[in-house]
Amino acid sequence: GQSLEQPSEVTAVEGAIVQINCTYQTSGFYGLSWYQQHDGGAPTFLSYNGLDGLEETGRFSSFLSRSDSYGYLLLQELQMKDSASYFCAVQSNYQLIWGAGTKLIIKP
Amino acid sequence: EPEVTQTPSHQVTQMGQEVILRCVPISNHLYFYWYRQILGQKVEFLVSFYNNEISEKSEIFDDQFSVERPDGSNFTLKIRSTKLEDSAMYFCASSAQGNTEAFFGQGTRLTVV
Repeated sequence: GQSLEQPSEVTAVEGAIVQINCTYQTSGFYGLSWYQQHDGGAPTFLSYNGLDGLEETGRFSSFLSRSDSYGYLLLQELQMKDSASYFCAVQSNYQLIWGAGTKLIIKP
Repeated sequence: EPEVTQTPSHQVTQMGQEVILRCVPISNHLYFYWYRQILGQKVEFLVSFYNNEISEKSEIFDDQFSVERPDGSNFTLKIRSTKLEDSAMYFCASSAQGNTEAFFGQGTRLTVV
């Protein structure tokens, strides 16, 4: 079967750094994407890793190790507005296969 | 900034009725998708569409579902005979290429009563 595993919930303090891990097992792999979703909103694209290594976009970074079927999203200098659910998703052929999402709770 | 737009934002329908959900993808994108998300659950792939035909579909996308690109801008999802379990948020997405980032619309919340 195809599956992605990520923690259901992570809590962090404003200004801190948090890492959300994702492991996957899928047939067909082109890359790993990360999406942010606020309650009631649409998923918003954050980053994509097609190759091993680290991709950095402002406060957000994403890492991929294809040999380990593992990736993570790193959020730095956390702000209250970063409170949301974060989904890892594998690009497999013409579809995205989604994890169940990680709810990020940020405390002042 | 270009965006994917979906209408209506909320649709309530009676079980057994047909509904059509509408989407306008980003104009220069070639790949279109429908996903759904049952409240509190993960996003699920329904179908991808390229060059006026379905390129991939999931097990969820059975005979009650169909997609169409009736003109150069719209992309629709039709559910022929709705069931209670079809109640979900339906997201349309588009991408420039088949394996690149997908941009999502704000979704249509479908409630079947």
